Amino acid sequence: AQSVTQPDIHITVSEGASLELRCNYSYGATPYLFWYVQSPGQGLQLLLKYFSGDTLVQGIKGFEAEFKRSQSSFNLRKPSVHWSDAAEYFCAVGAFLTGGGNKLTFGTGTQLKVEL
Amino acid sequence: EPEVTQTPSHQVTQMGQEVILRCVPISNHLYFYWYRQILGQKVEFLVSFYNNEISEKSEIFDDQFSVERPDGSNFTLKIRSTKLEDSAMYFCASSDPSVAGTMQFFGPGTRLTVL
Repeated sequence: AQSVTQPDIHITVSEGASLELRCNYSYGATPYLFWYVQSPGQGLQLLLKYFSGDTLVQGIKGFEAEFKRSQSSFNLRKPSVHWSDAAEYFCAVGAFLTGGGNKLTFGTGTQLKVEL
Repeated sequence: EPEVTQTPSHQVTQMGQEVILRCVPISNHLYFYWYRQILGQKVEFLVSFYNNEISEKSEIFDDQFSVERPDGSNFTLKIRSTKLEDSAMYFCASSDPSVAGTMQFFGPGTRLTVL
């Protein structure tokens, strides 16, 4: 069964500083990997995804993530954090379902706080 | 930009009552999902639905839960007899078959409070 680990529960960065959120996954085949962001009281917004090909993927809001198969990691990065980036970030791995579609398994999330 | 919508945004119910949570997926999507997030915990898969039947369900999705696509636009989650531990945020999601259903779009969620 697939699983996702986000080792950092809380991270605090200063506005303008760089950010890296860690994600490690466990999956038997080539994974489909995602990062979602959740602002307080809001739903889940897709930041970026990795299906195949280039291991460095670009997403919305200036985020990027790098897939490293050897490390089973898919870390999220942003070169310069903005105060509006404060939110909870979830990494997820997708597994195809035999009946169609796929099932997402989420990590426990990393709460990002941005200091002005 | 098309989006998944959910109603109500907040539902308060008494233990033992039935609740129906409603979702309108993105119109050309064919795969539909429900997830839940208990306060302070991670998002958990409940069920996936395709071609008018459940394609997979988790162990959380017991006989108290059911899903239905009653018409061409709505997708519902019913909890027959709510328990205190059903209190959570419930997210609906849908995905597009043209990309093998791999990218799910989530609604804003319904916060269910069971008293």
